Amino acid sequence: EAGVAQSPRYKIIEKRQSVAFWCNPISGHATLYWYQQILGQGPKLLIQFQNNGVVDDSQLPKDRFSAERLKGVDSTLKIQPAKLEDSAVYLCASSLVHSGNTEAFFGQGTRLTVV
Amino acid sequence: GENVEQHPSTLSVQEGDSAVIKCTYSDSASNYFPWYKQELGKGPQLIIDIRSNVGEKKDQRIAVTLNKTAKHFSLHITETQPEDSAVYFCAATHTGNQFYFGTGTSLTVIP
Repeated sequence: EAGVAQSPRYKIIEKRQSVAFWCNPISGHATLYWYQQILGQGPKLLIQFQNNGVVDDSQLPKDRFSAERLKGVDSTLKIQPAKLEDSAVYLCASSLVHSGNTEAFFGQGTRLTVV
Repeated sequence: GENVEQHPSTLSVQEGDSAVIKCTYSDSASNYFPWYKQELGKGPQLIIDIRSNVGEKKDQRIAVTLNKTAKHFSLHITETQPEDSAVYFCAATHTGNQFYFGTGTSLTVIP
């Protein structure tokens, strides 16, 4: 079974530029998460989708971050404009059902550096 | 929301010794507690989990215990090996909710 795929693996941009990350979850997984992991910290949720609907985006900085999950499969996360403090690893995860009792599987992450 | 605390932040053990990492949570509604291992440059990998109707679970050298009354759970690694060196994260969640992660424990196994 293929895992969660993310691209790109690394991205370096200047502040005020825009960037987009892509995630392809495990086939059949209805729930998709985007987490932000700052160096030395645990992952923090940005947004959670159930199919193509948003379940929780309370911690998403909506003035600069946006995310979509068209057709309930792939998802993109965008930052526009980027700030220095956005430097982090962006992790995508998926789980089979919207239960919270089911394992979440993570991708390799995209390491973003804002200079 | 849920608050998960994890200790210690760093842990060094001699190869063959045991390692214990402890986490506490605040939300009594949490009922699923996974542990993740994260190696440098990789995403977190699920290594073991426990649900609230179970007090202990073991998988070879790894075990997890849960005390619902005290709201804490622990990861135990026995007979540690150099390849166990990584950052370990605990997490807590309940039905329909996000995963809340601890701050991580950097484990170093000294050969």
